[in-house]
Amino acid sequence: AQSVTQPDIHITVSEGASLELRCNYSYGATPYLFWYVQSPGQGLQLLLKYFSGDTLVQGIKGFEAEFKRSQSSFNLRKPSVHWSDAAEYFCAVGPAYSGAGSYQLTFGKGTKLSVIP
Amino acid sequence: GAVVSQHPSRVICKSGTSVKIECRSLDFQATTMFWYRQFPKQSLMLMATSNEGSKATYEQGVEKDKFLINHASLTLSTLTVTSAHPEDSSFYICSARDPSSGRVNYNEQFFGPGTRLTVL
Repeated sequence: AQSVTQPDIHITVSEGASLELRCNYSYGATPYLFWYVQSPGQGLQLLLKYFSGDTLVQGIKGFEAEFKRSQSSFNLRKPSVHWSDAAEYFCAVGPAYSGAGSYQLTFGKGTKLSVIP
Repeated sequence: GAVVSQHPSRVICKSGTSVKIECRSLDFQATTMFWYRQFPKQSLMLMATSNEGSKATYEQGVEKDKFLINHASLTLSTLTVTSAHPEDSSFYICSARDPSSGRVNYNEQFFGPGTRLTVL
C-alpha cells in the first residue's frame, strides 16, 4: 500500500532563514510526487511536482524539491523564507499512469510552517 | 493552468437536512473527479472517485447512501450530504483530473478551493 510520511508536524523558522520540509514515501510503482500548500480555510495550491527527468524540480514561490529514489524521499526546500510562506504543506504520491491502477493520491499528514518575523 | 471551482464556499445547515456541494472544472473536461474530506488540522482523506457517466467508487468506511455523488457531465460533479449531522461538519475538497494535460494517461489533478460545512 502506498503511504506518505511527513515526520515534522510543526516547524518554526525565522524570516530569511532556509527551510527544508521532509517527505518520505512508500510506493510500488512509478510514483508521481507532489507538494501542495494550504493556507487556513483555503484549498490546495500546487507548489511543484515530479514524475521523471531532473531529480531537482523547481516550483512556484521560490520552492524546490529533490527526488531521491534511494531514500524514497522528496524533500521541499526554500533558501530564504518569507512571512507569507506560513501555511500547511502537504506531500502527496500517486500513480503516474492509468495503467498503474486508480489515480488516487495519498497525502501525508502535513507540516505546519510558522515564520517568526 | 486548469481551474476548479466549488460552490458554496461555506454552508451552515440544521441537523437532518441535506446539503449539495458542486465541483466544476471551468476550462477543461474532467473525466474523473475526486472528493476529499479534511478534518481540522489533519490531512485530506479520499472519500470517493467520481467518473463521468458511471457510479462513484467509494473508499472503505465511506457511506455511499449518506454521501451521494453525481458526475453527470464532464465539467460538474456534485456531493450531497444527506441527513447531515454535526459529525459531518468538515472541510470538503474536490479535485479534477485533466486528461488533456500533457500525456493522455498522466495523473494531473487540480484542486478546488474547498467547502466548509457546519451542521448545527
